[in-house]
Amino acid sequence: AQSVTQLGSHVSVSEGALVLLRCNYSSSVPPYLFWYVQYPNQGLQLLLKYTTGATLVKGINGFEAEFKKSETSFHLTKPSAHMSDAAEYFCAVSTDTGTASKLTFGTGTRLQVTL
Amino acid sequence: EAQVTQNPRYLITVTGKKLTVTCSQNMNHEYMSWYRQDPGLGLRQIYYSMNVEVTDKGDVPEGYKVSRKEKRNFPLILESPSPNQTSLYFCASSLGIRPQETQYFGPGTRLLVL
Repeated sequence: AQSVTQLGSHVSVSEGALVLLRCNYSSSVPPYLFWYVQYPNQGLQLLLKYTTGATLVKGINGFEAEFKKSETSFHLTKPSAHMSDAAEYFCAVSTDTGTASKLTFGTGTRLQVTL
Repeated sequence: EAQVTQNPRYLITVTGKKLTVTCSQNMNHEYMSWYRQDPGLGLRQIYYSMNVEVTDKGDVPEGYKVSRKEKRNFPLILESPSPNQTSLYFCASSLGIRPQETQYFGPGTRLLVL
């Protein structure tokens, strides 16, 4: 079975400050990891994903995440927060179940950016 | 424009009145899926489809039906809605069924069952 834990349902940062959103996963087989962002009244949009290869993954809007197998983590970071980053962020894991891919989401982290 | 569309975007109904939420994608994707999003629970998969006429249950299928008669469409059917099905629903699709495929999401349908 696979699962995702996102620490902190709400995170608040000042504009210009570092953004760090935490994600830990559980999987008995090699995982594929995703970060999605949801802006108010919109669907989910892919920020970045890890499949294989380089463990530091760069995404859109200046976000990046590092896959750390030893820590079973895939934390999302951005060096300098912008007001437009205010949204809800979901970490998700997918593994090969043998029949079809299954995407399992975390409970989400709402990012607030203050002046 | 490549997209996943859902209709309606907002729906208020009463207990027991059958309803259908439509989902359509124009990207020739094989895989389609329905999720519901509830506060504090994230997104949970309801049903998915690997191709035409191939559907299977996700994590929370009770009270829902789906069909995949055409590749582009994947409607979600609530035969007898109940208040616990009040939620935000998302349809998603991906090119193939491999676990590393990116899923593309529709804009969501907010359902209130009275």
